Amino acid sequence: GDSVTQMEGPVTLSEEAFLTINCTYTATGYPSLFWYVQYPGEGLQLLLKATKADDKGSNKGFEATYRKETTSFHLEKGSVQVSDSAVYFCALGTLNQGGKLIFGQGTELSVKP
Amino acid sequence: GAVVSQHPSWVICKSGTSVKIECRSLDFQATTMFWYRQFPKQSLMLMATSNEGSKATYEQGVEKDKFLINHASLTLSTLTVTSAHPEDSSFYICSAREVEGALNSPLHFGNGTRLTVT
Repeated sequence: GDSVTQMEGPVTLSEEAFLTINCTYTATGYPSLFWYVQYPGEGLQLLLKATKADDKGSNKGFEATYRKETTSFHLEKGSVQVSDSAVYFCALGTLNQGGKLIFGQGTELSVKP
Repeated sequence: GAVVSQHPSWVICKSGTSVKIECRSLDFQATTMFWYRQFPKQSLMLMATSNEGSKATYEQGVEKDKFLINHASLTLSTLTVTSAHPEDSSFYICSAREVEGALNSPLHFGNGTRLTVT
């Protein structure tokens, strides 16, 4: 079945460091890919998405490119801030599964001042 | 914007009792809602898809008789944890999409319910 694998956390960075969180997927069909973020004490929020190969999703300085050849959707940010500390989830969804999303295990990011 | 409201945000119950969790879509109708369980190491597991007017679709390995789902209206789905045991203690999250079946439409999440079974 479909699945998503993320790099394990926690990831600890200093402020203004470069961030990469790896995400790879296995899917039948043509999935859409998503990154969700969960800030401490809050629910999940959509961060960015990409619906087809080579699409780049971006939001709040974060970017991820849908790479079909490597089945990857790595999350990047050039300069992280303390306020980016959260848990990040990679997810995929396909229309033939009724719109449900399959999530990776989440990666906790901690940014130190 | 569209919001999914979940209630209660936390609940403590005794082993053997049942607990009901409500999930409401505000400002939009949802014939489909999704129930997830979040484990302590953060992984988010899809439990079931709640369908208004019909039976829920459960993921493999999820006990239908333990986790009863009722989608009573276009804005309300409930998850009842029956005969709860300490191993059912977890964080339960519901979600719904503004536009059914459209992956481009954001999936909105409730803030979750922390269940502790003593």
